[in-house]
Amino acid sequence: GAVVSQHPSRVICKSGTSVKIECRSLDFQATTMFWYRQFPKKSLMLMATSNEGSKATYEQGVEKDKFLINHASLTLSTLTVTSAHPEDSSFYICSARDGAGRSSYEQYFGPGTRLTVT
Amino acid sequence: GQQLNQSPQSMFIQEGEDVSMNCTSSSIFNTWLWYKQDPGEGPVLLIALYKAGELTSNGRLTAQFGITRKDSFLNISASIPSDVGIYFCAGHEETSGSRLTFGEGTQLTVNP
Repeated sequence: GAVVSQHPSRVICKSGTSVKIECRSLDFQATTMFWYRQFPKKSLMLMATSNEGSKATYEQGVEKDKFLINHASLTLSTLTVTSAHPEDSSFYICSARDGAGRSSYEQYFGPGTRLTVT
Repeated sequence: GQQLNQSPQSMFIQEGEDVSMNCTSSSIFNTWLWYKQDPGEGPVLLIALYKAGELTSNGRLTAQFGITRKDSFLNISASIPSDVGIYFCAGHEETSGSRLTFGEGTQLTVNP
């Protein structure tokens, strides 16, 4: 159980274009989903927290107009990188928290999306 | 924000050896989690701890929630080559909503 999928796994786009990344919880309902960015050999950097049906909460320094997050259902959240630039190239990972609430703050991660902006 | 101090940063060991890594925090946590990340993949949850003093095993892995609630350790016994990867601790504190705080990771290399 607690499987999270992410699509696409890799994407290459041209500078100035937008890219959408999908995150799905496959076997549970995720009331809360999280989007992280990870630089090589670094830890996970939280970008935003999204709750189903409400606006995402962005971490300090993350541009909400550039990184659009939509959490339209209990199993799907999307991250759209708008007007991408080479410095947006990174590994983006989503995670989901099981809404069944068996206590926990456990987050289950997707496999990540490698974004390369040329 | 709050950071966890995770050590060591990296370890190079021989197959069959035991491994220990730990995380410390200046804040009290109510949950400690340990994840493993393989290259190019998302982190996978290994062990979750919810109570101070709790000791939990998952196969060759054992983790403990420190009595002070400010630290946790992860032990791997009889390491094998597939244990290679980055291990992250993560903690939750009451004031952080649903967010987790992550350690900087321990890169483990196992030589056959």
